[in-house]
Amino acid sequence: QSVLTQPPSVSAAPGQKVTISCSGSSSNIGNNFVSWYQQLPGTAPKLLIYEDNKRPSGIPDRFSGSKSGTSATLGITGLQTGDEADYYCGPWDSSLSVVIFGGGTKVTVL
Amino acid sequence: QVQLQESGPGLVKPSQTLSLTCTVSGGSISSGRYYWSWIRQPAGKGLEWIGRIYARGGTNYNPSLKSRVAISVDTSKNQFSLKLTSVTAADTAVYYCARDHPALEYWGQGTLVTVSS
Repeated sequence: QSVLTQPPSVSAAPGQKVTISCSGSSSNIGNNFVSWYQQLPGTAPKLLIYEDNKRPSGIPDRFSGSKSGTSATLGITGLQTGDEADYYCGPWDSSLSVVIFGGGTKVTVL
Repeated sequence: QVQLQESGPGLVKPSQTLSLTCTVSGGSISSGRYYWSWIRQPAGKGLEWIGRIYARGGTNYNPSLKSRVAISVDTSKNQFSLKLTSVTAADTAVYYCARDHPALEYWGQGTLVTVSS
């Protein structure tokens, strides 16, 4: 069981918005940057968001990140069928001295 | 464009040592700005961070694996490696290498390692 809590699944219709929460503690989200990763079926994870809310080059602005206290949120607007994937949050944990990942959230486009 | 590629045996016997290498292209592993990491993912499960190495020295390991894991770097070959000793079926997973800092930005495609006799 992960020290970070994500909902197992979220879903919405094409064009709609979804948000994925990641709840942690002061040793991880509360005092360290959060990254978000997208894993399409059968592929390696891909960095979507780093340092809480920054997007790497090539990531569309439909993807956004935010953080408040010990929780972080990934938002996806204008949902597309190609967004169906598993999404993971992944901050550093200062107490454990590890990168930790949430359990993952499966996004389904209805 | 930085690319990473894992290589190594796809089948390891129980109690033996799992050894994987990650070859980096498109950038120097000794540039000093980055950590070089290993992550694994059992089939149908989530991601588990194994550890990382800083090219100029220094490693961090997941405490749950620390007694069995070692990560090293060969700057002359632009490679870094993972060794995991005393493997069991629970170590069966897809193993990924990745470049870290400020986040796990570049990933290899992953390699499946099965622990079985």
